[in-house]
Amino acid sequence: EDQVTQSPEALRLQEGESSSLNCSYTVSGLRGLFWYRQDPGKGPEFLFTLYSAGEEKEKERLKATLTKKESFLHITAPKPEDSATYLCAVQGWENYGQNFVFGPGTRLSVLP
Amino acid sequence: DSGVTQTPKHLITATGQRVTLRCSPRSGDLSVYWYQQSLDQGLQFLIQYYNGEERAKGNILERFSAQQFPDLHSELNLSSLELGDSALYFCASSDLGGADTQYFGPGTRLTVL
Repeated sequence: EDQVTQSPEALRLQEGESSSLNCSYTVSGLRGLFWYRQDPGKGPEFLFTLYSAGEEKEKERLKATLTKKESFLHITAPKPEDSATYLCAVQGWENYGQNFVFGPGTRLSVLP
Repeated sequence: DSGVTQTPKHLITATGQRVTLRCSPRSGDLSVYWYQQSLDQGLQFLIQYYNGEERAKGNILERFSAQQFPDLHSELNLSSLELGDSALYFCASSDLGGADTQYFGPGTRLTVL
């Protein structure tokens, strides 16, 4: 069964203090790994899709990387507006055409 | 704005009642997914439709049902509501039925009193 765990559960950073969020996954053949950002009471907002180990993607202060067992979301010089819950999801080839498996998320707070 | 719309935004009802949540996918997307998110749980996949047909089922209760219409909008029907059904319900859409990026709507907040 596909599984996703995320760490830490919550993270508090000072503005400008860079850090990384972890997503560890177990899947029978990774089809895709997805990162989303979710603000309280809002729908998840798509950030990145990664397909193979070694792949990296960047967007403003965020950079996502992928290995065979985990993905990292690196946040460089974060700002208060980066505060949100960051969700990771995977889909494997065995359940291709079916649902994503989401992790529990990391709740990030960036203090001014 | 993801392009996915959901109505209503908020819904307050009583136990035992039945409600219908509506979702319109992004233009051109054939696949619609429904998720439930409660305070103590993450995003729980309920059901997926692709071009009008049920494609996958997750942890959807028998009291819940869904359908996708010819114009590709979808409705999630929740019946015999219980207090524990209070949650945010999200719809997402993707252009194909596979592992394509899902774009989420703003959600419907259901409160069962």
